[in-house]
Amino acid sequence: DTGVSQDPRHKITKRGQNVTFRCDPISEHNRLYWYRQTLGQGPEFLTYFQNEAQLEKSRLLSDRFSAERPKGSFSTLEIQRTEQGDSAMYLCASSWGQETQYFGPGTRLLVL
Amino acid sequence: AQSVTQLDSQVPVFEEAPVELRCNYSSSVSVYLFWYVQYPNQGLQLLLKYLSGSTLVKGINGFEAEFNKSQTSFHLRKPSVHISDTAEYFCAVMPTGGGNKLTFGTGTQLKVEL
Repeated sequence: DTGVSQDPRHKITKRGQNVTFRCDPISEHNRLYWYRQTLGQGPEFLTYFQNEAQLEKSRLLSDRFSAERPKGSFSTLEIQRTEQGDSAMYLCASSWGQETQYFGPGTRLLVL
Repeated sequence: AQSVTQLDSQVPVFEEAPVELRCNYSSSVSVYLFWYVQYPNQGLQLLLKYLSGSTLVKGINGFEAEFNKSQTSFHLRKPSVHISDTAEYFCAVMPTGGGNKLTFGTGTQLKVEL
């Protein structure tokens, strides 16, 4: 039973660069979520997919952020023109319907 | 909208002592309640959840929580903590009526000392 995996685990980039993160959910799960966690805070919801459809986006998700789940399996989260304020842990979770969300280990982003 | 308050940012406790981590929530609709644990540089692991039924919920690693609707609380307890319980604990809620996102509190750092 493989859990949710995320790649890379760590990313250091310079301000203005684009970055892309990948999430592989638990195979039978139809829902996939992205959260962002900054230091000393709880995770904040960014967006979620049911199969390949992106059904909800948070106001936190600015135009520089885009997420896809092209075949209803893995998902990517891209940040364009990164800013120092984007430095955070990006967490992915998956679930079957509204059942329990299982989280991956996260991708820690540092923007210099 | 929902909000979750974890008033204690840090809780120090000696090993084998009991501990309670407090969680209060605010919501205009019914919610499910969750406690997650996060070890350093790792993702979140589900400790326990309340969906319906008995208000006392038992989870993994000897933790339990009690849902109190009148006080809108969902405090987490363990009768005897271990060094390995040192971690960050997050309380979260999700609307029962088809909502999908978890709303988290700011977390409580539990530090177990010898």
